[in-house]
Amino acid sequence: AQSVTQLDSQVPVFEEAPVELRCNYSSSVSVYLFWYVQYPNQGLQLLLKYLSGSTLVESINGFEAEFNKSQTSFHLRKPSVHISDTAEYFCAVSKYGGSQGNLIFGKGTKLSVKP
Amino acid sequence: DAGVIQSPRHEVTEMGQEVTLRCKPISGHNSLFWYRQTMMRGLELLIYFNNNVPIDDSGMPEDRFSAKMPNASFSTLKIQPSEPRDSAVYFCASSLAPSSGANVLTFGAGSRLTVL
Repeated sequence: AQSVTQLDSQVPVFEEAPVELRCNYSSSVSVYLFWYVQYPNQGLQLLLKYLSGSTLVESINGFEAEFNKSQTSFHLRKPSVHISDTAEYFCAVSKYGGSQGNLIFGKGTKLSVKP
Repeated sequence: DAGVIQSPRHEVTEMGQEVTLRCKPISGHNSLFWYRQTMMRGLELLIYFNNNVPIDDSGMPEDRFSAKMPNASFSTLKIQPSEPRDSAVYFCASSLAPSSGANVLTFGAGSRLTVL
């Protein structure tokens, strides 16, 4: 079975500072990896995903994540955060191939960007 | 498309009452998921359907919970009788899941349930 660990439950940073949100997964099979973002009082939205190919994936709002198979990690980074990035971020994994399956989510990391 | 639509957005009820949460998935999506979010347990998958058929309901907490998907455009999650520990935000999500490959979910805005 797959599992996801998000090492930090809360990450406070100042505006324009860099940030890294950590995610590690465990799986006995190949997986797809995702980051979802949840703004206050909203549902989750897909931020970016790794399916195959280049291990570095980017979102349209400046976030990027790198798949590291040897370290079983998929950390999310942004070189300069904005106040509007304040949200909760969820790492998720699903099993590669086979029948449609569900996503296994981490417990989330609350990013708080302060002016 | 209006996205995944959930109702009600907020529900406050008393212990022992029946609660019904509703979900309209994105048109054309063939998979539907119900998740529950709490501070203590995070996001938990309760049940998911593929082509209106329940595939995995191992996350449904107990017999008080039931879910149905009578057609491709509607699903319900029912709790009867409700208990205070059922208080949570319930999310519905849908996807167009390929026979193999990544399953990208689109979430609704959630239904916040408070059981007094």
